[in-house]
Amino acid sequence: DIQMTQSPFLLSASVGDRVTISCRTSQSITTYLNWYQQKPGRAPKLLIYAASSLQTGVSSRFSGRGSGTDFTLTISNLQPEDFATYYCQQTYTIPRTFGQGTKLDI
Amino acid sequence: DVQLVESGGGLVQPGGSLRLSCAASGFTFRNYWMHWVRQVPGKGLVWVSRMNSDGSVRNYADSVKGRFTISRDSAKNSLYLQLNSLRAEDTAVYYCAREVYHYDSRGEDWYFDLWGRGTLVTVSS
Repeated sequence: DIQMTQSPFLLSASVGDRVTISCRTSQSITTYLNWYQQKPGRAPKLLIYAASSLQTGVSSRFSGRGSGTDFTLTISNLQPEDFATYYCQQTYTIPRTFGQGTKLDI
Repeated sequence: DVQLVESGGGLVQPGGSLRLSCAASGFTFRNYWMHWVRQVPGKGLVWVSRMNSDGSVRNYADSVKGRFTISRDSAKNSLYLQLNSLRAEDTAVYYCAREVYHYDSRGEDWYFDLWGRGTLVTVSS
């Protein structure tokens, strides 16, 4: 199985900040990497697919980069609604593994 | 509306069984690969199983192989997960998710673009 390592586990920030979350995979997955946002009691929401493509309807404050084994999600100009938990996911192979999550806190 | 709605969760004793359902609406269900993902409350997302669009391909996480069975009924626009020999560690919210296959000049991509709200399975005596 491909292991996904996200960092940091917890990220404290303020409204207006720019933050970056990292996701590293145990083997190359080219760009088969997606990012999801999850708020308490809610289903995950797709933000970024194919490492850097913004899902329709998602704010352009979200951006993704990377290929191979190293990926990042950047959120610019943090807004109150951005405080949530973020997960990376690989769709290179089965099982479709997820990172352990990064909680973005005020 | 395009949506997925899970049902069938509940409290079950260790060793018991449950059948989860996921009702799809607003899109052509038979065209999509579908997945189950679970999440222990307060913990991360864990992939459980997938089925291809015509039901001929099934895959499972090692932790559920031999105990869980995924199926679908395109006439009813529904996905199912039969949970047998349940253990305490199967306690989680179970989500169904639609997987999209996208292809353009850059290449192909797979991603989960639609999720249900989940159904809670609690395994306890």
